[in-house]
Formats: sequence, structure tokens, C-alpha cells
Amino acid sequence: EVQLVQSGAEVKKPGESVKISCKGSGYSFISYWIGWVRQMPGKGLEWMGIIYPDDSDTRYSPSFQGQVTISADKSISTAYLQWSRLKASDTAMYYCARLPSPPNWGSHFDFWGQGTRVTVSS
Amino acid sequence: DIQMTQSPSTLSASVGDRVTITCRASQSVNIWLAWYQQKPGKAPKVLIYKTSSLESGVPLRFSGSGSGTEFTLTISSLQPDDFATYYCQQYNSGWTFGQGTKVEIK
Repeated sequence: EVQLVQSGAEVKKPGESVKISCKGSGYSFISYWIGWVRQMPGKGLEWMGIIYPDDSDTRYSPSFQGQVTISADKSISTAYLQWSRLKASDTAMYYCARLPSPPNWGSHFDFWGQGTRVTVSS
Repeated sequence: DIQMTQSPSTLSASVGDRVTITCRASQSVNIWLAWYQQKPGKAPKVLIYKTSSLESGVPLRFSGSGSGTEFTLTISSLQPDDFATYYCQQYNSGWTFGQGTKVEIK
């Protein structure tokens, strides 16, 4: 069974850093791209970026380029999303999701993690 | 950037109703369009991909159609489990979601 299990909720202050994780199981983690999606409170879904765990090829949405860092450790089947200096506007639910096909071939997101809530407040 | 616009934003319907949600793209996305269902506090779940392909395990009452810039999601007979928010997503160029359509009980 394909599963993406994300790390627990985070409560941080503005200016702090945080790294959240997404661990894949039940499939060949290195063979599928992983994407990150933001959902701000009461709002819709926004694509942030994707990574190919085998070689860490990463692509960012222009809206998030320079704001976050996406990485992966294929030895432990885990992808990461991190911020170096959080802002209150980063408060949101963050989801990881798997792409069943290479992005250049046209790929939606098939399996999703349960989400990680990040709250940034002074 | 490709913009996706869904209509309506909210839809009130009864069990057994036929429901249609429309998604329009600001430019052609060919057939690269997916539909997701999201319930409160849960992750989105894919229903339809490549415009009309039904994801494994999704009930046959869900169907998708369209091409280019206009797409529809149809629920042939609304069931109690279908009250949720639905999002379209284009993946022809990057990934962009519509703003969502909330299907609520009439």
C-alpha cells in the first residue's frame, strides 16, 4: 500500500526556521517525483515545488522560489520542505503528494500525505 | 501562468441530484486536467485525471469531460458521502488549482 506519512504539527515564531518531512512507503520512493502543496486557512490549494528523490532534481513554482527549500534523502525515503525565516503568512497546512508520471509527460498527484500544519505566531 | 476558474463557488444540492461543476482555463491545457475531492481536515483525493480517466476505486457516478479550456465534473446521483469541496487542477504547464466548489446539503 502506497503511503506518504508527514511529520507532526509545528508552532513557531516569526524568524525561526523549520523543516517538515514526508516519508514514503509501499513503492519505489526514488522512482517517483514528490510535490508539495500549500493550503492557507480556509483557502485553496497552491503548488509549491517538486523533487525527484533519486537525483534531487528540484523545480519550484515561481511563487515559492527563494522562499522555501525542498530536499530529499533517498536513503530513508523522505522528502523535506524547509523555511529559514518563517513569516506569519507561512501559517498553513502543507501536503506532500506523489506524481505517478514524470512531470514532463503530464502528471497529476495520486497519493497524498495527511498534511502538516505549520503555525507561525509571536 | 495558467489560471483556473471554477463555477459555481458553492452548490446546494440534495441526495440523488445530478451535479455539474465547471472549470475554465485561461489558456489551453489540452487534456491535462484532474479533479480532486477534499473533506474538512483531510487531504485531497484524486477522482479524475487526464480529463476523464477515473481513478481506481472511485465510484462510477463521477465522470469528467472537456478539452482545451473548458471542463466539467459530473456526479450522476449525489450521495451523502459526496458533500465536500471539489478542485480542478491543470498540469499542462506546472500545476494550478481552481479555487474550489463547495457542494453542500440543500
